[in-house]
Amino acid sequence: DGGITQSPKYLFRKEGQNVTLSCEQNLNHDAMYWYRQDPGQGLRLIYYSQIVNDFQKGDIAEGYSVSREKKESFPLTVTSAQKNPTAFYLCASSIEIGEQYFGPGTRLTVT
Amino acid sequence: AQSVAQPEDQVNVAEGNPLTVKCTYSVSGNPYLFWYVQYPNRGLQFLLKYITGDNLVKGSYGFEAEFNKSQTSFHLKKPSALVSDSALYFCAVREGGLTGGGNKLTFGTGTQLKVEL
Repeated sequence: DGGITQSPKYLFRKEGQNVTLSCEQNLNHDAMYWYRQDPGQGLRLIYYSQIVNDFQKGDIAEGYSVSREKKESFPLTVTSAQKNPTAFYLCASSIEIGEQYFGPGTRLTVT
Repeated sequence: AQSVAQPEDQVNVAEGNPLTVKCTYSVSGNPYLFWYVQYPNRGLQFLLKYITGDNLVKGSYGFEAEFNKSQTSFHLKKPSALVSDSALYFCAVREGGLTGGGNKLTFGTGTQLKVEL
């Protein structure tokens, strides 16, 4: 089956710890994206990557980092510098123009 | 800059009645417009898109949307609502024809649709 997978579905961390969220796609899409979703705020773009070994900051990149070493993978690290990391994180991919396809999401809770 | 407005946080409709979820947009050039649906604790599912062509776009699960350039709107519609349509709906836009800036979409804040028996 083609699609986007995110793991884990739920993640719990203590404040001050870095945590990495996984995103893998087998759709052969060049572009990949990370969004954060908070209640009542819609989706906000964290980082995006149009091609391997290249990525750009989105609207709320502070406190996050990414890598794009393989076309299929676009992991997101939530660092201890992110002030409010508890949120639902969504990964997506797309061709150059058109709809984005989303993974099932990871709910991160930091206490 | 591109932006999207979904003026209603929640829409309530009785099963069997028609439903409309509103979306207005702002872009500098021609828009590419999208609708997505999200069920609780799930990712977004693509419903339909307008890139060019016919202003009435048909999508998944019996949904359709009408692109209205003069009103800068792209309202989502369905002739007969089902209880199973109850979910969170997002409208998204990007400016068409752009290259080099990626396929970045701007999402609205979402509209919760509740279909009751």
